[in-house]
Amino acid sequence: KAGVTQTPRYLIKTRGQQVTLSCSPISGHRSVSWYQQTPGQGLQFLFEYFSETQRNKGNFPGRFSGRQFSNSRSEMNVSTLELGDSALYLCASSYYTGGVAISYEQYFGPGTRLTVT
Amino acid sequence: GIQVEQSPPDLILQEGANSTLRCNFSDSVNNLQWFHQNPWGQLINLFYIPSGTKQNGRLSATTVATERYSLLYISSSQTTDSGVYFCAVETTSGSARQLTFGSGTQLTVLP
Repeated sequence: KAGVTQTPRYLIKTRGQQVTLSCSPISGHRSVSWYQQTPGQGLQFLFEYFSETQRNKGNFPGRFSGRQFSNSRSEMNVSTLELGDSALYLCASSYYTGGVAISYEQYFGPGTRLTVT
Repeated sequence: GIQVEQSPPDLILQEGANSTLRCNFSDSVNNLQWFHQNPWGQLINLFYIPSGTKQNGRLSATTVATERYSLLYISSSQTTDSGVYFCAVETTSGSARQLTFGSGTQLTVLP
């Protein structure tokens, strides 16, 4: 079974531009989460999607947004890029099917390394 | 929010040595995962271990949920074990869930 895939793998953007990152979960996984990793802040939760609905969002400004499609693929968008947005963006998927008390292992993609100049 | 602390932050070993990495968390959690981040940034799943003990080859992990800590044991370390090890705990709010990561242990195994 193919793992989580993310595109593009590397990206260089200029301050003020916007960027869209894509994530395809493991086949059969319907929950997708996004994380940002920086040297200063470590790994931080951005948002979680299930059945095309954002269920949870981390402490990030409104410039960070995302969506999930009916095939569970997800995209995240960062508008008006700032130098501090330079980071590794990781996507994770899990087999979560909607039960409140049920937890599933999360699997991560290879990440998209974004550099803002 | 929940706090996750990992120790030690850095660890240098000679090939063949054993090591123990620790993860403390400040509140009850749904589950706990250990990851190894490779040099290219990908997080590799090591263990999904909300409680109890699991073993996979030279690696094993123990989580004592009632005392809010987990341990990752690496025996007979190899140079390929080098990298950053993260523990992450899952917390939920209704049906929403997220992983909170520790700051990691940077392991260097010398030949």
